[in-house]
Amino acid sequence: EDQVTQSPEALRLQEGESSSLNCSYTVSGLRGLFWYRQDPGKGPEFLFTLYSAGEEKEKERLKATLTKKESFLHITAPKPEDSATYLCAVGGVGSASKIIFGSGTRLSIRP
Amino acid sequence: DAGVIQSPRHEVTEMGQEVTLRCKPISGHDYLFWYRQTMMRGLELLIYFNNNVPIDDSGMPEDRFSAKMPNASFSTLKIQPSEPRDSAVYFCASSFSAGYSPLHFGNGTRLTVT
Repeated sequence: EDQVTQSPEALRLQEGESSSLNCSYTVSGLRGLFWYRQDPGKGPEFLFTLYSAGEEKEKERLKATLTKKESFLHITAPKPEDSATYLCAVGGVGSASKIIFGSGTRLSIRP
Repeated sequence: DAGVIQSPRHEVTEMGQEVTLRCKPISGHDYLFWYRQTMMRGLELLIYFNNNVPIDDSGMPEDRFSAKMPNASFSTLKIQPSEPRDSAVYFCASSFSAGYSPLHFGNGTRLTVT
């Protein structure tokens, strides 16, 4: 069965303090790994798609990387507006086109 | 494009009442998904459609839940009768191709059943 596990559950950082969020996955035949940002009262907002090990994507202060077993979301010099819940999801061949989500990491950036 | 549109944004109802949630996907997207989000269980897939046809409804919790997609621009999720444990945020999402393309979410319907 496909699974996605995210860690840590919550992370509090000082503004400017860089860190990484982890997403470990088990899937039979990865189609795509997705990162989302979710703000309170809103739906998840798409950030990145990664398709194969070694691939990297960047957007402003965020950089996503992928290995065969996990993905990292690196946050460089974060600002308070980066505070949100970050969700990881995978689509696999064996999951009949379902997208399975992890439980998310709640990120809080203090000014 | 206006994105995925869900209505209503909030719904408060009494136990035993019928609830209907509505969704308009992004034009051109062939896949439509219904998810439920709670603090305890996170985002759970309830059902998804491909070209208006239900493909997998194994996540639908009980027979009280039903979903339809009468055409490419409209879907409903119905709960009858509703129970307090159905209280959650229900999201609709659409995409070009399942598994390869990202999902685009609406802003959800917050359902409270008293």
